Amino acid sequence: QKEVEQNSGPLSVPEGAIASLNCTYSDRGSQSFFWYRQYSGKSPELIMSIYSNGDKEDGRFTAQLNKASQYVSLLIRDSQPSDSATYLCAVRSSGGSNYKLTFGKGTLLTVNP
Amino acid sequence: DTAVSQTPKYLVTQMGNDKSIKCEQNLGHDTMYWYKQDSKKFLKIMFSYNNKELIINETVPNRFSPKSPDKAHLNLHINSLELGDSAVYFCASSQTGYSPLHFGNGTRLTVT
Repeated sequence: QKEVEQNSGPLSVPEGAIASLNCTYSDRGSQSFFWYRQYSGKSPELIMSIYSNGDKEDGRFTAQLNKASQYVSLLIRDSQPSDSATYLCAVRSSGGSNYKLTFGKGTLLTVNP
Repeated sequence: DTAVSQTPKYLVTQMGNDKSIKCEQNLGHDTMYWYKQDSKKFLKIMFSYNNKELIINETVPNRFSPKSPDKAHLNLHINSLELGDSAVYFCASSQTGYSPLHFGNGTRLTVT
């Protein structure tokens, strides 16, 4: 069973701080990694995708990937109350099941004004 | 110009009934999916279709039957509904099997 693990939180940070969200995965052959944000009662929306080792930055968001450690993280700089949501890590399986995107159980982030 | 649209948004029904959820995408994507999100917010894949062909069929009861009349549509029919089927069902699409998913707004199914 290929798994994606996240700390369920809740993670609480003050406004303006850096929020750090972590994710580990079990399928060593995975090639595609995604972070989704889901507000309560809404559908998941894509924030970041990352495919190679290292950092990828997009505005206040930075995704970090370390395939050797099977670890992917999301940093949110200058956190805003509007960032309060559940963040889902998703990993694309390798091989014949590469149409399968497996999600972690999500980390609930609360940014306090 | 909604990219992935599902109907209905809410579905309340009694145990034993049969119901369908429809999904359409206008993104020109080749791959479509059904995901189930339970009360603990865990998002789990049910089915994946690529160009109308079933690619992934997870361990889902036979009461659930997807149908893809063309690559822009993926419907989900559920027979003999049970209490445990209550959840939010999300349709999604992706350009290829490697691309990120774009989700519909979800269908909240409540079985009483």
